[in-house]
Amino acid sequence: DIQMTQSPSLLSASVGDRVTINCKASQNINKYLNWYQQKLGEAPKLLIYNTNNLQTGIPSRFSGSGSGTDYTLTISSLQPEDFGTYFCFQHNSWPTFGAGTKLELK
Amino acid sequence: EVQLVESGGGLVQPGRSMKLSCAASGFTFSNYGMAWVRQAPTKGLEWVATISYDGSSTYYRDSVKGRFTISRDNAKSTLYLQMNSLRSEDTATYYCTRAATGGDYWGQGVMVTVSS
Repeated sequence: DIQMTQSPSLLSASVGDRVTINCKASQNINKYLNWYQQKLGEAPKLLIYNTNNLQTGIPSRFSGSGSGTDYTLTISSLQPEDFGTYFCFQHNSWPTFGAGTKLELK
Repeated sequence: EVQLVESGGGLVQPGRSMKLSCAASGFTFSNYGMAWVRQAPTKGLEWVATISYDGSSTYYRDSVKGRFTISRDNAKSTLYLQMNSLRSEDTATYYCTRAATGGDYWGQGVMVTVSS
């Protein structure tokens, strides 16, 4: 299976900050990379699919980029509702998730 | 509005069976592949099984092959996961997801606890 290495595992930030989360695949995943947000006790919510496509209803402060094995999620200006855990996910082959990045208030 | 509602979880002894259901609404169920994903307590997410839109193809993670069966009833817009020979390591919240662009819509999840 493709291994997804996500960094950092913990990110402390303030409202208004620009934050980036990285994900590295163990092999080329051809841009089949999604980003999800999960809040405590809730299901994951799709933010970005196939590297850089914003899911319907997701604010434009979220964006994604990358290719090959390296991908990035960027939040341009952090809002209070953005705190939670973020997962990357590849579906180029058997689907696998990154271990998650917990985004907390500094 | 797309809705996925899981049911059927609970406490089960090791070696026993349990069947999960996921009732879908708000979209044409028979047009989409579907999947089950699980999350053990305080752990990450694992893709468990996938089924094609018509049920003709199924795929499983290695650790559940031969024990779990994913199926669907398109007339009832319902997805199922039959889990046999359950182990303690199967303890998790199980989510159903519509497998478009990976997994675009998710249910709220149902907890399965395998313990004696």
